[in-house]
Amino acid sequence: AQSVTQLGSHVSVSEGALVLLRCNYSSSVPPYLFWYVQYPNQGLQLLLKYTTGATLVKGINGFEAEFKKSETSFHLTKPSAHMSDAAEYFCATYAGNNRKLIWGLGTSLAVNP
Amino acid sequence: DTEVTQTPKHLVMGMTNKKSLKCEQHMGHRAMYWYKQKAKKPPELMFVYSYEKLSINESVPSRFSPECPNSSLLNLHLHALQPEDSALYLCASSQGTLHNEQFFGPGTRLTVL
Repeated sequence: AQSVTQLGSHVSVSEGALVLLRCNYSSSVPPYLFWYVQYPNQGLQLLLKYTTGATLVKGINGFEAEFKKSETSFHLTKPSAHMSDAAEYFCATYAGNNRKLIWGLGTSLAVNP
Repeated sequence: DTEVTQTPKHLVMGMTNKKSLKCEQHMGHRAMYWYKQKAKKPPELMFVYSYEKLSINESVPSRFSPECPNSSLLNLHLHALQPEDSALYLCASSQGTLHNEQFFGPGTRLTVL
């Protein structure tokens, strides 16, 4: 069965520093992978997705993620953190041949001035 | 129009009340979802409608009753809720084919007294 693990429930970076949020998946078939961001008291916003093709995926707000099949990873990065990036980040994949997303537990990103 | 809208934004209800949450999208999506989310947790899938038919019910208590009047609208009828049902209720939609990204609304913050 598919699963998603996000390493680090809390990540703290300084403004201008590299952001790295980790996501590992387990899947017996090529996965469909997503990163979502949730700002306080808001819904979830899609940052980027991997379906097929190019393994380096660029998303909104300067974020990107690289699909690495050999490492079963889909880590999210941003070269330079902004204060506005402080939020909860979720990695997700589909459970199988249906519409159910499997979610990681989330990583709370804090950005310090 | 790339938005999913939800009304109301906030709802406070007693355990004997009946209320409804509403969700609307005009992206031509044929799948719509209800999620429940507790603070700092990933969203929990409740129901999925696919082409206006209920396709997934995640063993949700009968005090929650979904309805999909047409392909653009999704309702969640609430009756005799418990305080532990207090949460953020999120609606999402996606294209008709499987494994597409889900677009989320801003949510309804529900408090059950």
